Amino acid sequence: DAKTTQPPSMDCAEGRAANLPCNHSTISGNEYVYWYRQIHSQGPQYIIHGLKNNETNEMASLIITEDRKSSTLILPHATLRDTAVYYCIVRVARANRDDKIIFGKGTRLHILP
Amino acid sequence: GAVVSQHPSRVICKSGTSVKIECRSLDFQATTMFWYRQFPKQSLMLMATSNEGSKATYEQGVEKDKFLINHASLTLSTLTVTSAHPEDSSFYICSAQKAGQTYNSPLHFGNGTRLTVT
Repeated sequence: DAKTTQPPSMDCAEGRAANLPCNHSTISGNEYVYWYRQIHSQGPQYIIHGLKNNETNEMASLIITEDRKSSTLILPHATLRDTAVYYCIVRVARANRDDKIIFGKGTRLHILP
Repeated sequence: GAVVSQHPSRVICKSGTSVKIECRSLDFQATTMFWYRQFPKQSLMLMATSNEGSKATYEQGVEKDKFLINHASLTLSTLTVTSAHPEDSSFYICSAQKAGQTYNSPLHFGNGTRLTVT
């Protein structure tokens, strides 16, 4: 089972910041938080990941709470092309190569013109 | 970099036939590839983990004799849906892990294969 919970859907006005929350209260100390998004009928696209520090790249920012039980993905200036399903994932860490990614239900983000 | 290619992108086959889907890592070597299935309006469901040179590990409830996985090289994994039936119609997606990297590096996903069984 997925170790994260997200709101099923959110709306955001074009040009505004989109803040997508994720709860991962059972996260372990060596597990990373990953964010992917899936635009309709395409494969998931990697956005960002982090362990405990906040992270920023050209696509988004990731804010992880100090207790690591939740995080927020921030798209600073949302555009219509950001309409997608956003998945917050805790990567299950294993000693061997089979550290797989289990997807939850994600958040369907609608960017409104 | 880190491109994963799936082929075909769409396939229609008749019930009872078999279909092979290829997943290639174009610019990196992948010791591990993952196969997912996605039904309409649902999330991705992990089917199996494919390790180069060894047998695939299937998730609970996934029939290994129906979904044959082969990972013969560091850049290619194949999924064969044998004796396909209409209920196998779905969106199949593969992902690849760069060799030498683990849970602190991202997986790279293909663009999926839409299988329709008539």
